[in-house]
Amino acid sequence: QVQLQESGPGLVKPSGTLSLTCAVSGGSASSSFWWSWVRQPPGKGLEWIGEISQSGRTNYNPSLKSRVTMTVDKSKNHFSLKVTSVTAADTAVYYCARMPGVGATSWYYFDYWGQGTLVTVSS
Amino acid sequence: QSALTQPASVSGSPGQSITISCTGTTSDVGTYSLVSWYQQHPGKAPKLMIYEVSKRPSGVSNRFSGSKSGNTASLTISGLQAEDEADYYCCSYAGSSTLVFGGGTKLTVL
Repeated sequence: QVQLQESGPGLVKPSGTLSLTCAVSGGSASSSFWWSWVRQPPGKGLEWIGEISQSGRTNYNPSLKSRVTMTVDKSKNHFSLKVTSVTAADTAVYYCARMPGVGATSWYYFDYWGQGTLVTVSS
Repeated sequence: QSALTQPASVSGSPGQSITISCTGTTSDVGTYSLVSWYQQHPGKAPKLMIYEVSKRPSGVSNRFSGSKSGNTASLTISGLQAEDEADYYCCSYAGSSTLVFGGGTKLTVL
């Protein structure tokens, strides 16, 4: 059974950098899947942040692209998210999720999700 | 890239059928058959219910079905049960390797 687990600081100061890691177990971050981040502000809907392939190819939400970086560490079976210059609007539960795909093509749906981690931006 | 439009809330009685709509544009739902639906209970992670418009993952009840017509996708739940009460989100490929979600619909089982 595939499991994903997010980890990282729960509190980030405004103008700082949000950094999260997603550990993959029961599968591999180096398999033929894409790996994605989705966030949900308190009481609001879901927002796709971006995706990364096992080879490190990335695609980002245009509205966040200038502030987002995703990386994948195949040897450690995890992938990571960084969001720079954060503001209170970045306060949200952050989910990592798996997207089936083959090679350079994602199939654009999420079949496994982590439990989510709340990140609050506040001084 | 704008969020897909879903009704804020829908309701139904046990045993009834309900349909949740998800309206996009020719840039997303209208062009690509890459619409998925997610169920989210309070405090929990979303769960995949439908992918590629109408395909159901293993383990998801056949009471859940999906369809698409033009720029609007729909999720239908038949034989409504108390445990179906949750938030539902649609999601569509929007071209240029991007995805867009709907705003979410709260389903209340009366």
